[in-house]
Amino acid sequence: RKEVEQDPGPFNVPEGATVAFNCTYSNSASQSFFWYRQDCRKEPKLLMSVYSSGNEDGRFTAQLNRASQYISLLIRDSKLSDSATYLCVVNVKGGGNKLTFGTGTQLKVEL
Amino acid sequence: GAVVSQHPSRVICKSGTSVKIECRSLDFQATTMFWYRQFPKQSLMLMATSNEGSKATYEQGVEKDKFLINHASLTLSTLTVTSAHPEDSSFYICSCGYQETQYFGPGTRLLVL
Repeated sequence: RKEVEQDPGPFNVPEGATVAFNCTYSNSASQSFFWYRQDCRKEPKLLMSVYSSGNEDGRFTAQLNRASQYISLLIRDSKLSDSATYLCVVNVKGGGNKLTFGTGTQLKVEL
Repeated sequence: GAVVSQHPSRVICKSGTSVKIECRSLDFQATTMFWYRQFPKQSLMLMATSNEGSKATYEQGVEKDKFLINHASLTLSTLTVTSAHPEDSSFYICSCGYQETQYFGPGTRLLVL
């Protein structure tokens, strides 16, 4: 079983749609959680951290359920520029800055 | 966020030559830097963790004598691909540890002919 699992997609959605990505992690010692975005042929960029209380940044909302070891990302009012691969990332306690990456979920927003 | 630079952005070399890639943290000090490799349509693969002033920790299956890592200062780590072969052609990305997460450099595309 992979440490961080994501549906690879692709998710093809029309502009303006709401789309949700899910992620599960296997290591209960995971302590920090993030969503990164990676555009084609570019480096990953930090999109947002994920907290148990849930957090929102504009059209993006991230949720963490520690009991279920489940992380989600909701994108509202999708834009063409949201097309990218979204990586679910966890940091295990005691691992320093070492991160474990999911394989990513590809999103394609279409006209 | 933190700013990380990487140089060169693109390199083409002949088989058998060595290539050095530099990774710099521009606005913070990074005691830990990471080197990844990514093949087309595949996930990031961690190659090694670079610790300032000490030997790098390599992931299983990564040859330390082929991928030489030096982290001589808190703002610079280098990866040298020695005796490069066509199968080493890939996208090499560095990152710097910062506040429980990592910030990535823009990557280096290596093509070995």
